Amino acid sequence: DAGVIQSPRHEVTEMGQEVTLRCKPISGHDYLFWYRQTMMRGLELLIYFNNNVPIDDSGMPEDRFSAKMPNASFSTLKIQPSEPRDSAVYFCASSLAGVGQYFGPGTRLTVL
Amino acid sequence: GNSVTQMEGPVTLSEEAFLTINCTYTATGYPSLFWYVQYPGEGLQLLLKATKADDKGSNKGFEATYRKETTSFHLEKGSVQVSDSAVYFCALSRRGSEKLVFGKGTKLTVNP
Repeated sequence: DAGVIQSPRHEVTEMGQEVTLRCKPISGHDYLFWYRQTMMRGLELLIYFNNNVPIDDSGMPEDRFSAKMPNASFSTLKIQPSEPRDSAVYFCASSLAGVGQYFGPGTRLTVL
Repeated sequence: GNSVTQMEGPVTLSEEAFLTINCTYTATGYPSLFWYVQYPGEGLQLLLKATKADDKGSNKGFEATYRKETTSFHLEKGSVQVSDSAVYFCALSRRGSEKLVFGKGTKLTVNP
């Protein structure tokens, strides 16, 4: 079975540009999570969905960040406008109740 | 609130040495406990889990036992290999929730 798929794997953009990160969860999983990882702040939960509905977005740093899950097999995390401090590795993870979360390979974002 | 405390790293061992990474938690009720491993440049992988007191999770030679009396979930391996070099994260989830609370991670380096 394919695991969690994220695209792109690497993204380099300039400050002020819009960035869209994409995630395809494991088929049948009903939870989807977006995380950000940096050396300074470690692993941070940004937002998570259950059955495509956002449950907790308290980790979203500011209004420049938004996330959607239009269906059970696709989610996006958008940053508009991007800033250099948004540079990080962004992970998507999915889970089914009780089995633990399965992470994607991450998207390394660099904002110049 | 719920929290996880891991031993500070980094930990450096020689091949075939015994590994212990300490993890203690604070939580109400009976959380589920997890260990995740992150190899360089990759996402987190679920290593093992335990869902109730005295459960032992095991995988790839790693073990951890859910100790409610000491609120601990220490990770052990009898003989580490160079390929075990990675960052290890302890995590918990409240019963009925899929949201994970992570420790800060412990970096392990195994030298040949």
